[in-house]
Amino acid sequence: KQEVTQIPAALSVPEGENLVLNCSFTDSAIYNLQWFRQDPGKGLTSLLLIQSSQREQTSGRLNASLDKSSGRSTLYIAASQPGDSATYLCAVTGGGADGLTFGKGTHLIIQP
Amino acid sequence: SQTIHQWPATLVQPVGSPLSLECTVEGTSNPNLYWYRQAAGRGLQLLFYSVGIGQISSEVPQNLSASRPQDRQFILSSKKLLLSDSGFYLCAWSGRRTGELFFGEGSRLTVL
Repeated sequence: KQEVTQIPAALSVPEGENLVLNCSFTDSAIYNLQWFRQDPGKGLTSLLLIQSSQREQTSGRLNASLDKSSGRSTLYIAASQPGDSATYLCAVTGGGADGLTFGKGTHLIIQP
Repeated sequence: SQTIHQWPATLVQPVGSPLSLECTVEGTSNPNLYWYRQAAGRGLQLLFYSVGIGQISSEVPQNLSASRPQDRQFILSSKKLLLSDSGFYLCAWSGRRTGELFFGEGSRLTVL
């Protein structure tokens, strides 16, 4: 059974810092990996999707990498801003219709 | 562009009462549809998924049920709510090509 772990569970950094969020998964036979952002009381917003054949994806100040063989992904946030404060979730799918397996998320606070 | 609507946003119900949460997707056809639950302090739990009209797969045995009466409509129901049914319910859809998952804004259910 696939398990997804996110470290750290919580992170607080001053504004302007670059930071890395980590995600690991136990079964490397994934179809894709997706990073989401969740604001308090809201749904999940898709940030980046990495297909299993890809090694990284970029969107603005966000860069996500994927190392399937080691079962790891990182989300890099450059020049963090207070508006980046949210919970970030990592999820993987094996390609079936049964959806994604999620980590429990990293709660990120960017201090002004 | 595709959008997903979910309602009601907030619901307070007594134990033993029925439940109906509704989700509709616009701008796509034949999506895979999902119901997730997010309980406080826990990760996202997949409850049901559907690959087509009338086709429902359950991931967790419980007193909840799901139905897909139309291609882009997904309904979560219960005949009698339990206290343990309280949580944040999220509807999501994915396209068949990439498997990227998109979420609605969620429905907060409190059972008293």
